[in-house]
Parts: sequence; C-alpha cells; structure tokens
Amino acid sequence: KAGVTQTPRYLIKTRGQQVTLSCSPISGHRSVSWYQQTPGQGLQFLFEYFSETQRNKGNFPGRFSGRQFSNSRSEMNVSTLELGDSALYLCASSPHRLSSGRDRTDTQYFGPGTRLTVL
Amino acid sequence: DQQVKQNSPSLSVQEGRISILNCDYTNSMFDYFLWYKKYPAEGPTFLISISSIKDKNEDGRFTVFLNKSAKHLSLHIVPSQPGDSAVYFCAASARGTYKYIFGTGTRLKVLA
Repeated sequence: KAGVTQTPRYLIKTRGQQVTLSCSPISGHRSVSWYQQTPGQGLQFLFEYFSETQRNKGNFPGRFSGRQFSNSRSEMNVSTLELGDSALYLCASSPHRLSSGRDRTDTQYFGPGTRLTVL
Repeated sequence: DQQVKQNSPSLSVQEGRISILNCDYTNSMFDYFLWYKKYPAEGPTFLISISSIKDKNEDGRFTVFLNKSAKHLSLHIVPSQPGDSAVYFCAASARGTYKYIFGTGTRLKVLA
C-alpha cells in the first residue's frame, strides 16, 4: 500500500505571496491532519479534516486554511506569506478520527513533508 | 503553553547500551501517548504507543513506560544501534480532542 504523499517537496516563495500544498493520504484513510514543524517548536497542529469537513483547528491565524476532497486528498493554503512561515509542513493520515476508547491503538501515518522557505 | 515537554534536546549513547528518552506532560486529560522517530528529509514514523490504562508497553527493543502520577513517560531502547540515530518525538492525546500534541523532540545519536 502506498504511503502518504506530499507535493511539492520543496518550495521557495517571497513574502506576501500565497502557497498551496497538497497531501494524498493512504488509500482508505479518511482523516488528514496538518502540522507545522519549526526548530525548537516541534510539531504544531494546524487542522484536521474528516469527510471533507474541518473538524479541528490549532492556534494558527486565518491565513492558514485547508480543504479536503471527496477522495480524501487534502490541500493546505497559506496566504500573505511571512518570513516566520518558513517551516516543514507535514500531513498525516489515519483510517478514521482518533478513537476515544480506553484501550486506544490508533496512530497517524506521516508524509515526507513540504519544506517551505519564505524569502 | 507547551503541554508536552522533552527537556533534553539531544542525547548521545554508545552502541549496545540503553537509550532513555524522557517526556513530561502537564495535561491530566491526556490518555494516550505515542513515540515517533524522524530521520532527516522524512516524515515521522510511528514507533510505539501506550494507553493510560497501562504503565508499560514493549515492542522488540523498544519499551515505553508511563508514570501517570508524575505525568512522565520514557522510551527505552535496548540495545541501541547506530540506525536508531534520529529525532524522537513524544506525542499525547486527550480523549475526544481528536488531535495529538507533540513535544519538541530529542535528537539521539548512537555512537559506533
């Protein structure tokens, strides 16, 4: 089974521009989450999509948005780029939303990420 | 407010010895914990998880210990191998929140 794929792998933009990143989850996975990784900050949760609806959102400004298509593929958009948006953007998929049972076994599978550099 | 903390940014261990990576959390609602390993230019890879109903989970060379009263978990790698050199992230999730909160990572270097 193919893993999570993200395109493009590398991107260079200038301040003020906008960017769209794409994520294709593992076949059959319906939940897609996005994370931003910067040095010293670890992985910061951006948002989660399930069944084409944003179900969960992290503490990021409205410049960060996303969507999910009927085939579960997801895109993330960042408008009016700032220097601080330079980061590795990771997408993760899972078959369903994280479970809530006492004996949980779920996990997320990550793509290789898109390295965004804002100049 | 960093709810999941990995206070050691880096760790070096000799091949064959034990590697112990630590993680502390502040949110008592967390009930599920995971460890991920990340190599450069790759996404994080799931290693091992533990539910709050347990205090230990083993998978081969990897064992995760959970101390709920201290809000502390640790990952033990025995024996450590050079291929284990990577950045390790711990993550936590609270029931019903449908998201993971990650720590800042610990870079492990296993010396041959």
